[in-house]
This record gives sequence, C-alpha cells and structure tokens, in this order.
Amino acid sequence: AQSVAQPEDQVNVAEGNPLTVKCTYSVSGNPYLFWYVQYPNRGLQFLLKYITGDNLVKGSYGFEAEFNKSQTSFHLKKPSALVSDSALYFCAVRDKAGGANNLFFGTGTRLTVIP
Amino acid sequence: GAGVSQSPSNKVTEKGKDVELRCDPISGHTALYWYRQSLGQGLEFLIYFQGNSAPDKSGLPSDRFSAERTGGSVSTLTIQRTQQEDSAVYLCASSLVGTRGGQNNEQFFGPGTRLTVL
Repeated sequence: AQSVAQPEDQVNVAEGNPLTVKCTYSVSGNPYLFWYVQYPNRGLQFLLKYITGDNLVKGSYGFEAEFNKSQTSFHLKKPSALVSDSALYFCAVRDKAGGANNLFFGTGTRLTVIP
Repeated sequence: GAGVSQSPSNKVTEKGKDVELRCDPISGHTALYWYRQSLGQGLEFLIYFQGNSAPDKSGLPSDRFSAERTGGSVSTLTIQRTQQEDSAVYLCASSLVGTRGGQNNEQFFGPGTRLTVL
C-alpha cells in the first residue's frame, strides 16, 4: 500500500525565515516523490520531484526538498520565505514498482508567511 | 502553451440531478486522471486513463460516478443522482507516460470544477 503523511495542517513562518513543510511516505518499493502547491482559487502547480540520483532536489520558486530513505521523508524547504509563498502544499508519492500510475497525495499543509 | 482546462469552473446543482464535468488535457499527453478535493481533505484519486487501455476505476466512490475519454483526448466525468456529499472540487490532470522504469509521472493539473450540491 502507498500512503503519504503531512503531519502539520498549518505552518506559520515569518517572512525572511527558513521554512520546512514535512512529508513522510510509505511504499513497498522505491518511490517517486512530488511536491505540488495550490494557490487560492488556482489549480495545483508542480514544484519539484525526486525520481533518482541526488537526494537534494531543487524546484520552482527557490524551493528544494531532501529525500531521506532511512527516515522515509521528503520535507520541503526554502531558505527565506516570502509572503507570496503562502498557499496549500501537497506531497505525493507513487511506487516505482507498482502498477498504478496515479499519485497518492497527503492531506495538505497550509503555509502562511507572516509579513 | 495551453495547459489542462476544465469546464465549468463552478457548478451548482440540486440533489438528485446528474452533472457532467469536462476536462481538456494537454495535447499529446496520453494519461489523464480525475481527482476529488473535499473540504479539509487531501486529493482523492477517482479514475485514470492511459491511451487505449481499460481505465483504472479503482477510486470511483460509487456506481453513480463514471467517466469516459473520447478519442484519447477530452474526458467527461459524470455524476448521476448527485448527493450533498458529492460537493467538492473535481480536478483533472494529464501527463506523459514514459517507458517502464523511466516513468516520472509528472502530472499537470487543471484549475478544477467546484461542484456544489444543494
């Protein structure tokens, strides 16, 4: 079975401070991992993905995420938060070995960056 | 370039009525997905189309839900005899599907259709 956990429903951070949005996953094999962002009244936008290779993945808008196999985590990070980063963030996983092609999403974390 | 488009953007209907939601995927994308996003919940997978293969319907919550994809492009999600618990944002996504082992499954999402069942 595949699943994703985002333990924090809400994350608040001051503008200019580093931010972390947590994600842990569970798959039977090796994972494909993704982060998506949803701005108000907009569809989901792809941020970054981990497929293979370097554990540190860099994506759009200055975001990055680190794949940690031993901790089964894929936390999203940014060194300096902007007010415009305030949005709903979703982590998603797919098992490389699985037959299903759909992604399994977490319940989302609402990030609020305080000016 | 054109992304995934969905129509209508908003739909209000009465309980018991049927609704049809439309998705136009990105040209050339062979895979198409429908998800549902309910208030306070994550995205729930509904159905997946890949080329001419039989769709993966494992996520459809009841037999009132069905979807088709005509000509390998446009898809329609139909909900019959709508119930209030069907109220949600219905998201469509499309992706390129590579060869086995090389699939990265990056999905591009449409803006969604917000369905409200009164």
